[in-house]
Amino acid sequence: GQSLEQPSEVTAVEGAIVQINCTYQTSGFYGLSWYQQHDGGAPTFLSYNGLDGLEETGRFSSFLSRSDSYGYLLLQELQMKDSASYFCAVRDQENYGQNFVFGPGTRLSVLP
Amino acid sequence: EAGVAQSPRYKIIEKRQSVAFWCNPISGHATLYWYQQILGQGPKLLIQFQNNGVVDDSQLPKDRFSAERLKGVDSTLKIQPAKLEDSAVYLCASSHITGVSTTGELFFGEGSRLTVL
Repeated sequence: GQSLEQPSEVTAVEGAIVQINCTYQTSGFYGLSWYQQHDGGAPTFLSYNGLDGLEETGRFSSFLSRSDSYGYLLLQELQMKDSASYFCAVRDQENYGQNFVFGPGTRLSVLP
Repeated sequence: EAGVAQSPRYKIIEKRQSVAFWCNPISGHATLYWYQQILGQGPKLLIQFQNNGVVDDSQLPKDRFSAERLKGVDSTLKIQPAKLEDSAVYLCASSHITGVSTTGELFFGEGSRLTVL
């Protein structure tokens, strides 16, 4: 089976940098995705790491270390609109590589 | 490009009643997922379709939940009879993943929020 761990809550101020960690246990690992979900909204895709290293997309970056079964999402220049829940999701080999298991989520609160 | 459409957005029923949710995925997406998201938790996979065939329904409570995807496009998820613990948001997602080298992005609908009283 698979299991993922994330911090339940993170608080930061506008303009700051915050890192949300994700550790996972799975067999047949393909990659790690990150999603953002505002209250009452749909999860939206932020990034995907299939290989070790850092992926950068604007203010957001995501990192993966396959050997450590660890990844993180880095949010820079925080804005109030970044207040949301963030989920990591493991993609594994089951179901032809289209199986995605989500973590419990991290609720980010950005303060003025 | 139109997104994933779901209906109804909200539904309130009494326990032991039945309910059905509908999903229309993004055109051309072969894979469709139904996830259950209980408040404060991450989405949990209920069932996954590849075209109109079931790929994974291992976590679907089959004594009360059923789902179908006719003609490989729209899908419905039904609960009968509902229990209090079924109160959750039911999220439909679709993808056009063609291989392991692709990003693995899922496109989610806004969800159907079910309250069971």
